[in-house]
Amino acid sequence: KQEVTQIPAALSVPEGENLVLNCSFTDSAIYNLQWFRQDPGKGLTSLLLIQSSQREQTSGRLNASLDKSSGRSTLYIAASQPGDSATYLCAVPSSSNTGKLIFGQGTTLQVKP
Amino acid sequence: DAGVIQSPRHEVTEMGQEVTLRCKPISGHNSLFWYRQTMMRGLELLIYFNNNVPIDDSGMPEDRFSAKMPNASFSTLKIQPSEPRDSAVYFCASSLAQGSYYEQYFGPGTRLTVT
Repeated sequence: KQEVTQIPAALSVPEGENLVLNCSFTDSAIYNLQWFRQDPGKGLTSLLLIQSSQREQTSGRLNASLDKSSGRSTLYIAASQPGDSATYLCAVPSSSNTGKLIFGQGTTLQVKP
Repeated sequence: DAGVIQSPRHEVTEMGQEVTLRCKPISGHNSLFWYRQTMMRGLELLIYFNNNVPIDDSGMPEDRFSAKMPNASFSTLKIQPSEPRDSAVYFCASSLAQGSYYEQYFGPGTRLTVT
C-alpha cells in the first residue's frame, strides 16, 4: 500500500531564504508525482508534475526533483517571499492504471517578512 | 476556462438532513474526483469517475454517501442522512487522463458543517 510522508509538518523561515520541502513514498513504482499548494480556506493549486522518466521540473522559483529509487521528492523554493506562505502537498498515484492520488499530510510554510 | 466549479461554497445543515454537493469539471476533462479533507485524516479520495463511469468508490465512507455523474459536465455527491462527523471540506477535481499523464485540477471546495 502506497504511503506518502512529508517532513517537516511545519516550517517558518525569514523572507529571502532558500528552502527545501521533503516528500517520501513507500512504493517506488510510480508514474508521476505532483506538488500542490493550498492556501487557507482554498482549494489545491497544482504547482509541478514530474513524470517518472524525469528527474526534475522547474517553474519560476520552484524546482522539484524526483528520485524514484529512493522514494523521494524535494520541492526547492528559492528566495522565499511572504506570498509563498501556504501548505504544500505532494501526491503520487496509487497504481499505474488509476487516477487515484495518495497525498501526504503537507508542510505548512510561513515566510516572515 | 473557469476551472472546476463547486457549489455551494458553504453548507450548514442539521443532523439527519440530506446534503447535495455539486461539481462542474473543466470542459474536455474525462476524469472527475471527489475528495474530503479534515484536520485528522487529511485529504482522502472518496470516489472517481472516468468518462462518467465510477471507477473506484472504495473511499466512500458508507452507504449514506452516493455520487453520480449523469454527463461529462456535472457530478453530485449526496449525503443522506448527514451526521456531524461528515463535517469537512469536500473538493472536486478533474483531469484529462491520457496514459500516465493526468494532472488534477481542484475546485475551491465546499465547506460542510453538520450540527
